[in-house]
Amino acid sequence: DVKVTQSSRYLVKRTGEKVFLECVQDMDHENMFWYRQDPGLGLRLIYFSYDVKMKEKGDIPEGYSVSREKKERFSLILESASTNQTSMYLCASTLDSYGYTFGSGTRLTVV
Amino acid sequence: EDQVTQSPEALRLQEGESSSLNCSYTVSGLRGLFWYRQDPGKGPEFLFTLYSAGEEKEKERLKATLTKKESFLHITAPKPEDSATYLCAVYNAGNNRKLIWGLGTSLAVNP
Repeated sequence: DVKVTQSSRYLVKRTGEKVFLECVQDMDHENMFWYRQDPGLGLRLIYFSYDVKMKEKGDIPEGYSVSREKKERFSLILESASTNQTSMYLCASTLDSYGYTFGSGTRLTVV
Repeated sequence: EDQVTQSPEALRLQEGESSSLNCSYTVSGLRGLFWYRQDPGKGPEFLFTLYSAGEEKEKERLKATLTKKESFLHITAPKPEDSATYLCAVYNAGNNRKLIWGLGTSLAVNP
């Protein structure tokens, strides 16, 4: 059963901490995405990657960075966590931009 | 500006009461329209992809249709387990692998 795995379901971090969210897919997909989802705002794209070591900014990249050293792994980094980054974070992958497969999500709370 | 609008925001049905969810879009060069189901606290789950006006797809009690301006997700004789948020997204030719998402319709089916 193909899947996208996010390393944590729930995280609580302190303001100013550096936070790493990990995502691994086992489908050999080229394209991977990081979204955040907030009530009333829907899914907003943070960063995406269409190849190893490649990355592109999405709609809301400020305060975030990403790393893709291997095809199967796409990491989201919060350089200095702030309370307004409290959110549900969703990772997705796709072979050709048709039919994303999403992970279960990470609920991040920054206190 | 490319845009996806879903209506209604929320819908409450009695078990067995059929209805439809709407996804209207304004994009240039539609390449595909996607429907997803999202349960609380989880990542979206892929349901359907529609590529051209007139296309229809079915899965159990769900049927998705597409015109040049909108898509409908018809739910026939819903059950309580169909309760979820249904998300619509579109992919257009010039959008560099990024989907444009609607805000979703929250469906509750009462027994």
